[in-house]
Amino acid sequence: DAKTTQPPSMDCAEGRAANLPCNHSTISGNEYVYWYRQIHSQGPQYIIHGLKNNETNEMASLIITEDRKSSTLILPHATLRDTAVYYCIVRGSNSGYALNFGKGTSLLVTP
Amino acid sequence: GAVVSQHPSWVICKSGTSVKIECRSLDFQATTMFWYRQFPKQSLMLMATSNEGSKATYEQGVEKDKFLINHASLTLSTLTVTSAHPEDSSFYICSASPRQGRDTEAFFGQGTRLTVV
Repeated sequence: DAKTTQPPSMDCAEGRAANLPCNHSTISGNEYVYWYRQIHSQGPQYIIHGLKNNETNEMASLIITEDRKSSTLILPHATLRDTAVYYCIVRGSNSGYALNFGKGTSLLVTP
Repeated sequence: GAVVSQHPSWVICKSGTSVKIECRSLDFQATTMFWYRQFPKQSLMLMATSNEGSKATYEQGVEKDKFLINHASLTLSTLTVTSAHPEDSSFYICSASPRQGRDTEAFFGQGTRLTVV
């Protein structure tokens, strides 16, 4: 599975959009980009995933560049409850399609 | 959405004893479940892939005789930490998906905090 690179930490003001970047320059054509988040001492929570088209759901939007080498997760109106570690994961077929977590980005939403 | 439940949420055990952690998919069947371990301030590390009706597949460096995995039904996988030691203290998390593949959401349990004293 392709590796991902994320900034270790980011801040965002409450009510503003949070844009979390992710680089995955070695991604293969059939690998999906997933985003999960983990609030302290809880299991990861699914946010969104995509292959090459931009995706949007009730939680967030996922923007994937045309060459698929990077993506951005957008939380349109961040709240204090969005403070968490966000993981960008490229999912291939290694280990039976397991999700392999990198270090993620620690997002702090401030009042 | 689909739910994966772990039990117990936390457990404290004495060094040398064994601890069993259960992972259940509550509203779907899963032929494959995954077990992770997370140490403080670190990311989740995949330990093993649990396969219903067959042996688990362990990641490199994970002792299969220490971390026994049983996937006896399509809704239940168990992880037994045998002869636990303080260095096994960690946050253990399982995940499962309704179907296999790259384009399918994986659901995670709430995790089990193991403390070995």
